[in-house]
Amino acid sequence: DTEVTQTPKHLVMGMTNKKSLKCEQHMGHRAMYWYKQKAKKPPELMFVYSYEKLSINESVPSRFSPECPNSSLLNLHLHALQPEDSALYLCASSQKGEETQYFGPGTRLLVL
Amino acid sequence: SQQGEEDPQALSIQEGENATMNCSYKTSINNLQWYRQNSGRGLVHLILIRSNEREKHSGRLRVTLDTSKKSSSLLITASRAADTASYFCATDENAGNMLTFGGGTRLMVKP
Repeated sequence: DTEVTQTPKHLVMGMTNKKSLKCEQHMGHRAMYWYKQKAKKPPELMFVYSYEKLSINESVPSRFSPECPNSSLLNLHLHALQPEDSALYLCASSQKGEETQYFGPGTRLLVL
Repeated sequence: SQQGEEDPQALSIQEGENATMNCSYKTSINNLQWYRQNSGRGLVHLILIRSNEREKHSGRLRVTLDTSKKSSSLLITASRAADTASYFCATDENAGNMLTFGGGTRLMVKP
């Protein structure tokens, strides 16, 4: 299995909702990432998990809460989001010690 | 934050022509990678070039790296309509899993 899967593909939520994005990989990768990508812009790193521990938080607002329950699974919990948080959220993984990252197809989020 | 710029921002060519995209960056790097993104989808890794390498090939792709000018170029030869996508360079300063992406080049290849 050489892919990263993300669910849901699309999500519409109100500013008072709580929702979660899910990312899964079965390549044995020990580093996993969340990126945010606005239209016609490059991906921007949000969080990095290494061996299931949060190693990098790029000053992301607390309304985004990452979680890594095990080495194959990465969640992003969303609460009280703003319309400007609407974007494509990409998950990626990589083998520790290797630089290439493998990306999932993304979750397109719309906050109303 | 964005590491650098890509040039051009958009490129339209005919099938069979070559496409060249340039990337500039600001800091010292461990490696530079190129990724491709089809509209609204995930990124696909194309090629990685390390800071001690000057040129690398993979199929129809040729990447160069000039660390003195802090720049890289991606050449796609004999382009196909299926090459239509956005292409991003990404730099890794420390081989520490932090990629910083350039602004991207949107390539359209007309059949």
